[in-house]
Amino acid sequence: GQQLNQSPQSMFIQEGEDVSMNCTSSSIFNTWLWYKQDPGEGPVLLIALYKAGELTSNGRLTAQFGITRKDSFLNISASIPSDVGIYFCAGQLVSGGSNYKLTFGKGTLLTVNP
Amino acid sequence: DTAVSQTPKYLVTQMGNDKSIKCEQNLGHDTMYWYKQDSKKFLKIMFSYNNKELIINETVPNRFSPKSPDKAHLNLHINSLELGDSAVYFCASSPRENYGYTFGSGTRLTVV
Repeated sequence: GQQLNQSPQSMFIQEGEDVSMNCTSSSIFNTWLWYKQDPGEGPVLLIALYKAGELTSNGRLTAQFGITRKDSFLNISASIPSDVGIYFCAGQLVSGGSNYKLTFGKGTLLTVNP
Repeated sequence: DTAVSQTPKYLVTQMGNDKSIKCEQNLGHDTMYWYKQDSKKFLKIMFSYNNKELIINETVPNRFSPKSPDKAHLNLHINSLELGDSAVYFCASSPRENYGYTFGSGTRLTVV
């Protein structure tokens, strides 16, 4: 089955630093998504990418859909304490119009020291 | 208004019991899902329903039975609960088109 390798597993940074995390897949996807999960809550969608090579920003967040369709990265610039949480990549391969399954990476736990 | 709501938020029960978790979405989405998040935070799909029709069943034990009375509701019934069923269960929904999910806030199930 499809597997996503997300790295790093965890990061400890100082407030104001930039952060980068990425995901690679053993197979291609036609959608890449990045989610953030706060404690006690469900994952919340941050950025959605639909085309190979696409680069999309959402405030201080920037994500890219790799040209090979097997990878994606997420950058966070000028981190702030509320960026703390678990970040998940997720890939989706829609075929035949009937498969909407998201495959998730194992998450990156981000800790920001004020 | 909460977009995807799950009840209960916490559920503590004994081994062998039967329990249900309810999910409702008011987004008008056609597709709903159940995901399980284990203690290592790994999210794994269990079921997916599209317009009340089961379209994904990911090798989940028969003790787990989803039920979708209409496209806005997807409930999860679990029979004969086991210790290994302890996890956080998330309901989610998405439009029919290729797009991201909206998740509920989760149900933390603890089997003792």
